[in-house]
Amino acid sequence: AQSVTQLDSQVPVFEEAPVELRCNYSSSVSVYLFWYVQYPNQGLQLLLKYLSGSTLVKGINGFEAEFNKSQTSFHLRKPSVHISDTAEYFCAVLYNTDKLIFGTGTRLQVFP
Amino acid sequence: NAGVTQTPKFQVLKTGQSMTLQCAQDMNHEYMSWYRQDPGMGLRLIHYSVGAGITDQGEVPNGYNVSRSTTEDFPLRLLSAAPSQTSVYFCASRSIGGYNSPLHFGNGTRLTVT
Repeated sequence: AQSVTQLDSQVPVFEEAPVELRCNYSSSVSVYLFWYVQYPNQGLQLLLKYLSGSTLVKGINGFEAEFNKSQTSFHLRKPSVHISDTAEYFCAVLYNTDKLIFGTGTRLQVFP
Repeated sequence: NAGVTQTPKFQVLKTGQSMTLQCAQDMNHEYMSWYRQDPGMGLRLIHYSVGAGITDQGEVPNGYNVSRSTTEDFPLRLLSAAPSQTSVYFCASRSIGGYNSPLHFGNGTRLTVT
């Protein structure tokens, strides 16, 4: 079955510290990978995406993610977080169909 | 450019009542979808459509109906609301021409069924 796993439901971190949000997906022949961010009381916004090519992709707000096919992972990283990065982050996978499957989300809480 | 517009923003229903959540987009997107968001469960796909007259089921379609008579609109119907349908509902759309196009989300409808 197609699935996306975000093991960390919450990640607390101090401002200016690095952060990694983990995402693993069930294996498939071809996948397209996305990270979305949701600020309070809003819909989701695309942060970055992996379609093909370089396994390291850069997104908005200084975030980047690395696609690892052998580990079926797509972890999101930022070298130095800001208070404004406090939000919920969702990993999503498009399994060669029109169904975009989301993970359960990771709430990033940045403390001053 | 309005993007994806969902109405209403909030709704309270009693068990057994019916209602329609409205979704409209003005970007000429072929693909439209409905998700529900529940704590600890992320977003789960209810139904989706790849064009007018074409709909298909997602992960959790039971209890919901959809239709797509125009490119712009994709309403979600609850025929007999149940407390288990208390959730935040998001409509999203994208262009179908390649996976480069991201999903555009509405701001959600918060539904409570008592």
